Amino acid sequence: GAGVSQSPSNKVTEKGKDVELRCDPISGHTALYWYRQRLGQGLEFLIYFQGNSAPDKSGLPSDRFSAERTGESVSTLTIQRTQQEDSAVYLCASSADTEATNEKLFFGSGTQLSVL
Amino acid sequence: QKEVEQDPGPLSVPEGAIVSLNCTYSNSAFQYFMWYRQYSRKGPELLMYTYSSGNKEDGRFTAQVDKSSKYISLFIRDSQPSDSATYLCAMKPGGTDKLIFGTGTRLQVFP
Repeated sequence: GAGVSQSPSNKVTEKGKDVELRCDPISGHTALYWYRQRLGQGLEFLIYFQGNSAPDKSGLPSDRFSAERTGESVSTLTIQRTQQEDSAVYLCASSADTEATNEKLFFGSGTQLSVL
Repeated sequence: QKEVEQDPGPLSVPEGAIVSLNCTYSNSAFQYFMWYRQYSRKGPELLMYTYSSGNKEDGRFTAQVDKSSKYISLFIRDSQPSDSATYLCAMKPGGTDKLIFGTGTRLQVFP
């Protein structure tokens, strides 16, 4: 597609349930990022993929959070045993990751996660 | 202390005003500086990108970096109601892939 696509756009879940968030990056973009944005806060880095590997997982807040990427394309962010503090917008971004362009991230519209 | 500090606003200005948005940072290793614009319920979009100190102009937008003061600015001339959005600064050191974002400044331009 023309841009980064995320699904679902909204997710309401009960505390303790698992959720999966999906990201389809721009075709050909090798770098993929997940960020979290809490209400009134800046973007918080979660994880970065180069191809299918994740050289930087430093932002994942706990072992309840995991992410994978397959085929150098789609990525899934999984949150197990969701807690109310997980409520946020989860943003995915991709970049072409050449030396000249790897600072230029293209973001999706995000998944608004609400944990009741 | 956060690595990147940004006044959350909101900032409300009349149409046609010059707007100044600012961020300060503490990490002297930051080399790449960006401004993203985020409309409500949308992902951020890259607005301006600069490397090192100096000014960069693009239409009504000017990005300014002062590395000696660890201070970056975005100026918007002749502001329009369509400029109403949240503006996020972002920066990173060379050789890394993790952008550090400010909290964003919410701007409202009223007719």
